[in-house]
Amino acid sequence: NAGVMQNPRHLVRRRGQEARLRCSPMKGHSHVYWYRQLPEEGLKFMVYLQKENIIDESGMPKERFSAEFPKEGPSILRIQQVVRGDSAAYFCASSSKQETQYFGPGTRLLVL
Amino acid sequence: GESVGLHLPTLSVQEGDNSIINCAYSNSASDYFIWYKQESGKGPQFIIDIRSNMDKRQGQRVTVLLNKTVKHLSLQIAATQPGDSAVYFCAENMEGQGGKLIFGQGTELSVKP
Repeated sequence: NAGVMQNPRHLVRRRGQEARLRCSPMKGHSHVYWYRQLPEEGLKFMVYLQKENIIDESGMPKERFSAEFPKEGPSILRIQQVVRGDSAAYFCASSSKQETQYFGPGTRLLVL
Repeated sequence: GESVGLHLPTLSVQEGDNSIINCAYSNSASDYFIWYKQESGKGPQFIIDIRSNMDKRQGQRVTVLLNKTVKHLSLQIAATQPGDSAVYFCAENMEGQGGKLIFGQGTELSVKP
Protein backbone atom coordinates (compact mmCIF):
# COMPACT_ATOMS: atom_id res chain seq x y z
CA ASN A 1 0.00 0.00 0.00
CA ALA A 2 1.77 3.12 -1.22
CA GLY A 3 2.05 6.02 1.14
CA VAL A 4 1.22 9.63 0.45
CA MET A 5 2.89 10.78 -2.72
CA GLN A 6 3.88 14.30 -3.59
CA ASN A 7 5.40 15.74 -6.73
CA PRO A 8 7.52 17.37 -7.66
CA ARG A 9 9.94 16.86 -4.78
CA HIS A 10 11.79 20.04 -5.66
CA LEU A 11 10.47 23.01 -7.58
CA VAL A 12 12.30 26.16 -8.61
CA ARG A 13 10.35 29.17 -9.79
CA ARG A 14 11.17 32.77 -10.57
CA ARG A 15 9.22 35.54 -8.95
CA GLY A 16 5.88 36.02 -10.66
CA GLN A 17 5.59 32.48 -11.96
CA GLU A 18 3.03 29.91 -10.87
CA ALA A 19 3.75 26.85 -8.74
CA ARG A 20 1.60 23.72 -8.78
CA LEU A 21 2.12 21.13 -6.10
CA ARG A 22 0.45 17.72 -6.30
CA CYS A 23 -0.54 15.27 -3.62
CA SER A 24 -1.92 11.77 -3.99
CA PRO A 25 -3.34 10.50 -0.69
CA MET A 26 -2.96 7.00 0.63
CA LYS A 27 -5.35 4.49 -0.85
CA GLY A 28 -8.69 4.69 0.88
CA HIS A 29 -8.05 8.13 2.38
CA SER A 30 -10.47 10.87 1.45
CA HIS A 31 -9.18 13.63 3.76
CA VAL A 32 -6.25 15.77 2.63
CA TYR A 33 -4.42 18.43 4.60
CA TRP A 34 -1.73 20.83 3.37
CA TYR A 35 0.94 22.29 5.65
CA ARG A 36 3.79 24.71 5.07
CA GLN A 37 7.13 24.54 6.83
CA LEU A 38 9.49 27.49 6.78
CA PRO A 39 13.19 26.86 7.51
CA GLU A 40 13.86 26.03 11.16
CA GLU A 41 10.18 26.15 12.01
CA GLY A 42 7.32 23.79 12.67
CA LEU A 43 4.59 22.96 10.22
CA LYS A 44 1.69 25.38 9.82
CA PHE A 45 -1.74 24.24 8.74
CA MET A 46 -2.97 25.70 5.47
CA VAL A 47 -6.06 23.90 4.20
CA TYR A 48 -8.20 20.80 4.72
CA LEU A 49 -10.07 19.21 1.85
CA GLN A 50 -12.29 16.26 1.17
CA LYS A 51 -13.19 15.10 -2.31
CA GLU A 52 -14.46 18.13 -4.28
CA ASN A 53 -14.86 20.21 -1.11
CA ILE A 54 -12.73 22.69 0.81
CA ILE A 55 -13.60 22.14 4.46
CA ASP A 56 -11.23 24.54 6.21
CA GLU A 57 -8.96 27.06 4.52
CA SER A 58 -8.31 29.19 7.57
CA GLY A 59 -4.53 28.81 7.20
CA MET A 60 -4.36 29.81 3.57
CA PRO A 61 -3.15 33.28 2.59
CA LYS A 62 -6.08 35.22 1.20
CA GLU A 63 -4.43 35.96 -2.11
CA ARG A 64 -2.49 33.94 -4.68
CA PHE A 65 -3.05 30.56 -2.96
CA SER A 66 -5.71 28.03 -3.87
CA ALA A 67 -6.29 24.34 -3.37
CA GLU A 68 -8.50 21.68 -4.86
CA PHE A 69 -9.16 17.98 -4.48
CA PRO A 70 -11.11 16.86 -7.54
CA LYS A 71 -13.20 13.75 -7.76
CA GLU A 72 -10.53 12.14 -9.90
CA GLY A 73 -6.84 12.79 -9.55
CA PRO A 74 -4.53 14.30 -6.94
CA SER A 75 -5.04 17.28 -4.72
CA ILE A 76 -3.41 20.43 -6.10
CA LEU A 77 -1.98 23.36 -4.17
CA ARG A 78 -1.56 26.29 -6.52
CA ILE A 79 0.47 29.40 -5.83
CA GLN A 80 0.15 32.19 -8.33
CA GLN A 81 2.70 34.97 -8.86
CA VAL A 82 5.15 33.47 -6.40
CA VAL A 83 7.32 35.68 -4.22
CA ARG A 84 10.53 34.85 -2.36
CA GLY A 85 8.60 34.51 0.89
CA ASP A 86 6.78 31.52 -0.58
CA SER A 87 10.00 29.50 -0.47
CA ALA A 88 9.31 26.67 1.93
CA ALA A 89 8.61 22.97 2.19
CA TYR A 90 4.98 22.11 1.52
CA PHE A 91 3.67 18.90 3.00
CA CYS A 92 0.50 17.03 2.30
CA ALA A 93 -1.05 14.61 4.76
CA SER A 94 -3.97 12.26 4.31
CA SER A 95 -6.24 10.47 6.71
CA SER A 96 -9.33 8.37 6.94
CA LYS A 97 -12.19 10.05 8.81
CA GLN A 98 -10.01 12.69 10.52
CA GLU A 99 -7.89 10.07 12.22
CA THR A 100 -4.11 9.68 12.13
CA GLN A 101 -2.57 11.84 9.43
CA TYR A 102 0.20 10.36 7.30
CA PHE A 103 2.54 12.73 5.60
CA GLY A 104 4.11 12.75 2.19
CA PRO A 105 7.78 13.56 1.55
CA GLY A 106 7.01 17.17 0.76
CA THR A 107 7.71 19.57 -2.09
CA ARG A 108 10.53 22.02 -1.54
CA LEU A 109 9.76 25.24 -3.34
CA LEU A 110 12.52 27.71 -4.05
CA VAL A 111 11.63 31.09 -5.50
CA LEU A 112 14.48 32.93 -7.14
CA GLY B 1 -5.87 29.60 22.70
CA GLU B 2 -4.39 27.10 20.31
CA SER B 3 -0.72 26.71 20.96
CA VAL B 4 1.67 23.89 21.46
CA GLY B 5 5.23 24.65 22.40
CA LEU B 6 8.43 22.87 23.23
CA HIS B 7 10.78 23.57 26.09
CA LEU B 8 14.13 23.01 24.37
CA PRO B 9 15.14 23.42 20.74
CA THR B 10 18.01 20.89 20.91
CA LEU B 11 18.83 17.77 22.87
CA SER B 12 22.06 15.81 22.71
CA VAL B 13 22.28 12.32 24.23
CA GLN B 14 24.73 9.46 24.28
CA GLU B 15 23.84 6.35 22.33
CA GLY B 16 22.14 3.88 24.62
CA ASP B 17 20.84 6.51 27.03
CA ASN B 18 17.19 7.40 27.38
CA SER B 19 15.87 10.60 25.82
CA ILE B 20 13.07 12.77 27.09
CA ILE B 21 11.49 15.42 24.90
CA ASN B 22 8.99 17.78 26.47
CA CYS B 23 6.02 19.71 25.17
CA ALA B 24 3.61 22.18 26.76
CA TYR B 25 0.19 23.17 25.58
CA SER B 26 -2.11 25.99 26.62
CA ASN B 27 -5.64 24.81 25.85
CA SER B 28 -7.00 22.84 28.78
CA ALA B 29 -9.72 21.43 26.51
CA SER B 30 -7.13 19.80 24.25
CA ASP B 31 -7.95 16.17 23.79
CA TYR B 32 -5.69 14.46 21.30
CA PHE B 33 -1.91 14.73 20.89
CA ILE B 34 0.52 13.16 18.46
CA TRP B 35 4.29 12.92 18.32
CA TYR B 36 5.99 13.05 14.92
CA LYS B 37 9.59 12.43 13.94
CA GLN B 38 11.06 14.32 11.02
CA GLU B 39 14.38 13.31 9.52
CA SER B 40 16.28 15.72 7.34
CA GLY B 41 14.67 16.11 3.93
CA LYS B 42 11.67 13.96 4.79
CA GLY B 43 8.09 14.39 5.87
CA PRO B 44 6.92 13.94 9.46
CA GLN B 45 6.54 10.33 10.52
CA PHE B 46 3.90 9.30 13.04
CA ILE B 47 5.40 7.90 16.24
CA ILE B 48 2.70 7.65 18.86
CA ASP B 49 -0.46 9.39 19.98
CA ILE B 50 -2.41 9.83 23.19
CA ARG B 51 -5.85 11.04 24.14
CA SER B 52 -6.74 12.99 27.24
CA ASN B 53 -8.45 10.02 28.88
CA MET B 54 -5.02 8.41 29.26
CA ASP B 55 -1.93 9.41 31.24
CA LYS B 56 0.52 7.11 29.54
CA ARG B 57 0.87 5.13 26.38
CA GLN B 58 3.69 2.87 25.29
CA GLY B 59 4.98 1.82 21.93
CA GLN B 60 8.14 0.15 20.77
CA ARG B 61 10.93 1.91 22.72
CA VAL B 62 8.76 5.01 23.08
CA THR B 63 6.45 6.17 25.83
CA VAL B 64 4.27 9.25 25.85
CA LEU B 65 3.18 10.77 29.16
CA LEU B 66 0.37 13.26 29.50
CA ASN B 67 -0.06 15.48 32.55
CA LYS B 68 -3.32 17.33 32.15
CA THR B 69 -2.93 19.19 35.43
CA VAL B 70 0.08 21.16 34.18
CA LYS B 71 -0.77 20.76 30.47
CA HIS B 72 2.43 18.98 29.63
CA LEU B 73 3.35 15.95 27.62
CA SER B 74 6.61 14.18 27.05
CA LEU B 75 8.10 11.63 24.70
CA GLN B 76 10.52 9.16 26.16
CA ILE B 77 12.80 7.15 23.91
CA ALA B 78 14.51 4.19 25.51
CA ALA B 79 18.03 3.12 24.54
CA THR B 80 18.43 5.93 22.04
CA GLN B 81 20.08 4.93 18.79
CA PRO B 82 21.81 6.97 16.08
CA GLY B 83 18.78 6.36 13.86
CA ASP B 84 16.68 8.31 16.36
CA SER B 85 18.48 11.51 15.42
CA ALA B 86 15.81 13.80 14.00
CA VAL B 87 13.54 16.69 14.87
CA TYR B 88 10.60 15.69 17.06
CA PHE B 89 7.33 17.58 17.00
CA CYS B 90 4.38 17.37 19.29
CA ALA B 91 1.09 18.25 17.63
CA GLU B 92 -2.45 18.77 18.78
CA ASN B 93 -5.20 17.32 16.66
CA MET B 94 -8.03 19.81 16.57
CA GLU B 95 -10.81 17.28 16.26
CA GLY B 96 -13.46 19.94 16.64
CA GLN B 97 -12.00 21.81 13.68
CA GLY B 98 -11.75 19.10 11.10
CA GLY B 99 -8.72 17.40 12.55
CA LYS B 100 -6.09 19.93 11.53
CA LEU B 101 -2.81 19.63 13.40
CA ILE B 102 -1.24 22.44 15.41
CA PHE B 103 2.49 21.80 15.63
CA GLY B 104 5.06 22.95 18.13
CA GLN B 105 8.43 24.32 17.03
CA GLY B 106 10.30 21.03 17.31
CA THR B 107 13.20 19.60 19.29
CA GLU B 108 16.28 18.44 17.44
CA LEU B 109 17.61 15.23 18.95
CA SER B 110 21.25 14.44 18.32
CA VAL B 111 22.62 11.04 19.32
CA LYS B 112 26.34 10.78 19.99
CA PRO B 113 27.96 7.39 19.29
